[in-house]
Amino acid sequence: DGGITQSPKYLFRKEGQNVTLSCEQNLNHDAMYWYRQDPGQGLRLIYYSQIVNDFQKGDIAEGYSVSREKKESFPLTVTSAQKNPTAFYLCASNGGGRAYSPLHFGNGTRLTVT
Amino acid sequence: DAKTTQPPSMDCAEGRAANLPCNHSTISGNEYVYWYRQIHSQGPQYIIHGLKNNETNEMASLIITEDRKSSTLILPHATLRDTAVYYCIVRAQGAQKLVFGQGTRLTINP
Repeated sequence: DGGITQSPKYLFRKEGQNVTLSCEQNLNHDAMYWYRQDPGQGLRLIYYSQIVNDFQKGDIAEGYSVSREKKESFPLTVTSAQKNPTAFYLCASNGGGRAYSPLHFGNGTRLTVT
Repeated sequence: DAKTTQPPSMDCAEGRAANLPCNHSTISGNEYVYWYRQIHSQGPQYIIHGLKNNETNEMASLIITEDRKSSTLILPHATLRDTAVYYCIVRAQGAQKLVFGQGTRLTINP
């Protein structure tokens, strides 16, 4: 079945450590996205990528980094510079700039930093 | 992208139709209306989208007013598994960002 896989589902880290969240898709989608969700809140865009080797900052990119070396993969690194890293992280993909191309989401990674 | 306004919460009895409203009074002519839902601790799920005409699929119906300033998502026969947060979003053609508000928390009661 086609879809988006995020791993791991739960991740625990000590403060001051960088951590990388995995996102893989087999939908042959051009565009991929990372969102952050805090309890009781909507989703906020961190980074997005329209094509391989290209990505843009979203609304809350500070303290995060990404890479897009392959079409299928869009890993997110939460760096020690991110002041409040504990959150639910969601990866998504779609067919790109077509307005009618809906986002497909993974089931998220819940990161806890202590 | 235009901003949307949704009620924070709604209740509906199981088996009845659930009608979720959304206001998007500043919507532009090239902006589509999308609906997603998020069941607790999962990723959001796409439900339906439309531009001007009413739309229906196996999950729901979308009714868009003639002036396009508001829309209603209809779940015709709600089940307990429809309990979720429902997000109404508008997005322009070619725009990459989907801006999520806080949505409507729909509770289906037995």
